Amino acid sequence: NAGVTQTPKFRVLKTGQSMTLLCAQDMNHEYMYWYRQDPGMGLRLIHYSVGEGTTAKGEVPDGYNVSRLKKQNFLLGLESAAPSQTSVYFCASSYGVKDTQYFGPGTRLTVL
Amino acid sequence: SQKIEQNSEALNIQEGKTATLTCNYTNYSPAYLQWYRQDPGRGPVFLLLIRENEKEKRKERLKVTFDTTLKQSLFHITASQPADSATYLCALDVSPGGSYIPTFGRGTSLIVHP
Repeated sequence: NAGVTQTPKFRVLKTGQSMTLLCAQDMNHEYMYWYRQDPGMGLRLIHYSVGEGTTAKGEVPDGYNVSRLKKQNFLLGLESAAPSQTSVYFCASSYGVKDTQYFGPGTRLTVL
Repeated sequence: SQKIEQNSEALNIQEGKTATLTCNYTNYSPAYLQWYRQDPGRGPVFLLLIRENEKEKRKERLKVTFDTTLKQSLFHITASQPADSATYLCALDVSPGGSYIPTFGRGTSLIVHP
């Protein structure tokens, strides 16, 4: 039982490049979330999903897209990376919306 | 707009003392409130959840209170240990649309000195 895993752990991009972050969970959770964490800003919700095939915007969705084609996977895409997207990205999942969120180890992204 | 406030200054205490962290919120009435612990370079880990109709919740050395009149939650760690040093985040649902999606506070750093 791996819990929540994230790929990759680190990445450096140049401005304008694109990339996809992968989140996978093996707990059969319905809800999945993508957050970014910046110094002094705390965790901010980018997008979330309430089930396979569904996605919704969070607090800071601009510049990101997501997809949930399979229940266990939640992908976060950056189509044209900007330096302002330099951050640590965390994925989380939960059984229900009011339940415990289980977090992945994070992806440290730097955009030059 | 909804605000969640946690003390941005680190809390420094001596080993063995009780640490008390505060989470204040404005405007909306959350259905629940959660506390998480985050160590440097790692994702947050869930500690406790308290619901709007509960006043207090305990788990081992941890205690959470929830005062919906004061719009405040207190998080206590009794007999604190250096291993308790971490950042503690509160999270609560603040969405007026009833989605119950939690919003996280910025966290308070706790440093327990031996």
